[in-house]
Amino acid sequence: DAGVIQSPRHEVTEMGQEVTLRCKPISGHDYLFWYRQTMMRGLELLIYFNNNVPIDDSGMPEDRFSAKMPNASFSTLKIQPSEPRDSAVYFCASSPDRSSGNTIYFGEGSWLTVV
Amino acid sequence: AQSVAQPEDQVNVAEGNPLTVKCTYSVSGNPYLFWYVQYPNRGLQFLLKYITGDNLVKGSYGFEAEFNKSQTSFHLKKPSALVSDSALYFCAVRDYGNNRLAFGKGNQVVVIP
Repeated sequence: DAGVIQSPRHEVTEMGQEVTLRCKPISGHDYLFWYRQTMMRGLELLIYFNNNVPIDDSGMPEDRFSAKMPNASFSTLKIQPSEPRDSAVYFCASSPDRSSGNTIYFGEGSWLTVV
Repeated sequence: AQSVAQPEDQVNVAEGNPLTVKCTYSVSGNPYLFWYVQYPNRGLQFLLKYITGDNLVKGSYGFEAEFNKSQTSFHLKKPSALVSDSALYFCAVRDYGNNRLAFGKGNQVVVIP
């Protein structure tokens, strides 16, 4: 299996621009997670989906952030408008069914810099 | 809510010596515990997990971890560290019935040649 695939790997954008991060989960996985990693706050769960439905978005920082999962093989995380404090590594991850013991598998991350 | 503590920011160890990375957790029910490793500019890679059964869990790259319920700990260990083990290590916990995985802040491991 190719694993969780994220794009772009690196993005540099100007403040105020829209940023769209993309994710393809592992085939057959029912759960998809978006995490953000910063030096100050470590790894934070932003939102997760089950069978394409958002279950918990309590970690989404503010209205500038939105996430969608139109089908089982694709998800996007959008930031509009972007701000310098959004600079971080954004990870997408997926896991199989509901069992809490199931492993979450991470993509390689999207490294975002907002200048 | 579940949480994880990784008390040390950095662990320095000489190559060939035993490596231990500490983790304690807090959950309301039965814990599901995980260790991940992150190499520079890479994503998190799964190392091992404890779900149930034997308290000593063996994982990838010669790592193992011991679940200690009375001490609420899940320390990661490797008998003989390699320079290539230098990376950031994350402990994580999931409460039973909960899909949220709570991560610790991570420990930087530096293996000195």
